[in-house]
Amino acid sequence: EIVLTQSPGTLSLSPGERATLSCRASQSVSSSYLAWYQQKPGQAPRLLIYGASSRATGIPDRFSGSGSGTDFTLTISRLEPEDFAVYYCQQYGSSAITFGQGTRLEIK
Amino acid sequence: QVQLQESGPGLVKPSQTLSLTCTVSGGSISSGGYYWSWIRQHPGKGLEWIGYIYYSGSTYYNPSLKSRVTISVDTSKNQFSLKLSSVTAADTAVYYCARADGYNSFDYWGQGTLVTVSS
Repeated sequence: EIVLTQSPGTLSLSPGERATLSCRASQSVSSSYLAWYQQKPGQAPRLLIYGASSRATGIPDRFSGSGSGTDFTLTISRLEPEDFAVYYCQQYGSSAITFGQGTRLEIK
Repeated sequence: QVQLQESGPGLVKPSQTLSLTCTVSGGSISSGGYYWSWIRQHPGKGLEWIGYIYYSGSTYYNPSLKSRVTISVDTSKNQFSLKLSSVTAADTAVYYCARADGYNSFDYWGQGTLVTVSS
């Protein structure tokens, strides 16, 4: 099983700032199969990024994904108030799917 | 617009079988190209993939749950279902159904249903 480790656990920033979230895999992940999600309290997760760097339908261009191999990054260029939430990375490999433990993005 | 809706009991007794159904609207499971999935989230915790099924009936399960999980599909009703046997309190969670696309990312989700295991 591929383990995804997200850092930091909690990120405290202000609106307008840039957020950089990390996702590290225990072994190499195909870029085609790395995704990022946003989850707000009481809601289902929402797909933000698929294939490591492609934005899902309707996702603002302030969200971007990058990386390859074992290191992937989600960047939010300028934080809006609605961006404060929990973010998860997810991978598919060897017929199994795993998620990272999440990064909580909170208002400073 | 594809929509998914979970249904089933919110309370299950220990050692019994948890059964949930996901009804899909706005798209046909039979059209292919997607895997129909179950994911759970323990209270205050992260996400755990349970497994998924293709319209043909092919299934893929999380190895850690495989011995207790059965996912099935009913294309005539545009539904798929989850059965999790021998449940314990550790199976208390919000259960989501979701659609996995060709990138194995989950692009549509149900709103989730809380299942509590308790006597």
